[in-house]
Amino acid sequence: DADVTQTPRNRITKTGKRIMLECSQTKGHDRMYWYRQDPGLGLRLIYYSFDVKDINKGEISDGYSVSRQAQAKFSLSLESAIPNQTALYFCATSDTGTGKVYEQYFGPGTRLTVT
Amino acid sequence: DQQVKQNSPSLSVQEGRISILNCDYTNSMFDYFLWYKKYPAEGPTFLISISSIKDKNEDGRFTVFLNKSAKHLSLHIVPSQPGDSAVYFCAATSLTGNQFYFGTGTSLTVIP
Repeated sequence: DADVTQTPRNRITKTGKRIMLECSQTKGHDRMYWYRQDPGLGLRLIYYSFDVKDINKGEISDGYSVSRQAQAKFSLSLESAIPNQTALYFCATSDTGTGKVYEQYFGPGTRLTVT
Repeated sequence: DQQVKQNSPSLSVQEGRISILNCDYTNSMFDYFLWYKKYPAEGPTFLISISSIKDKNEDGRFTVFLNKSAKHLSLHIVPSQPGDSAVYFCAATSLTGNQFYFGTGTSLTVIP
């Protein structure tokens, strides 16, 4: 079983709809991240969380919100989706405890299309 | 503004030869640099990293070189194998590991 799972894997939605992307991990890591990947732009950080009570904005947080429901779960919400939020979204984790905080483990991604 | 840049979108190399992937950065506050490998329909996977206090780190066929004065790092793969064909991303972060900045990726094709 995958250590970092994302649901759904693919989603098509309409402009103005609210949508939630979910991420779960079984690695026991404390840190979790949400990224989006666009062609020609690489991965850009949306939000990150170091524990359930610690949420931080990343490089491109406008139009997004997150919820850390438990150490293992980190959800990304688009309150009112717009077409330029069409992208590939990745969740990632890392672990402060092992001293390898720089090594991130990524989920398989969610392809979101906003029409 | 892109703080981490990979100026070569693609690279083709013969099997058995060396692959060299390059990455440049602009922020001198970065303390740690990483390379990730990504296959289609999968998330990136960690490959190798280097601290800013070092100029070289080696792991099997993979070696990362860091030139801080030039703000440049490179990933060497020797010998290249067809299974190495993937998109490679470099990334950088500060000592706290709060935010990570990724390059745009280089698609490597190793020709059998």
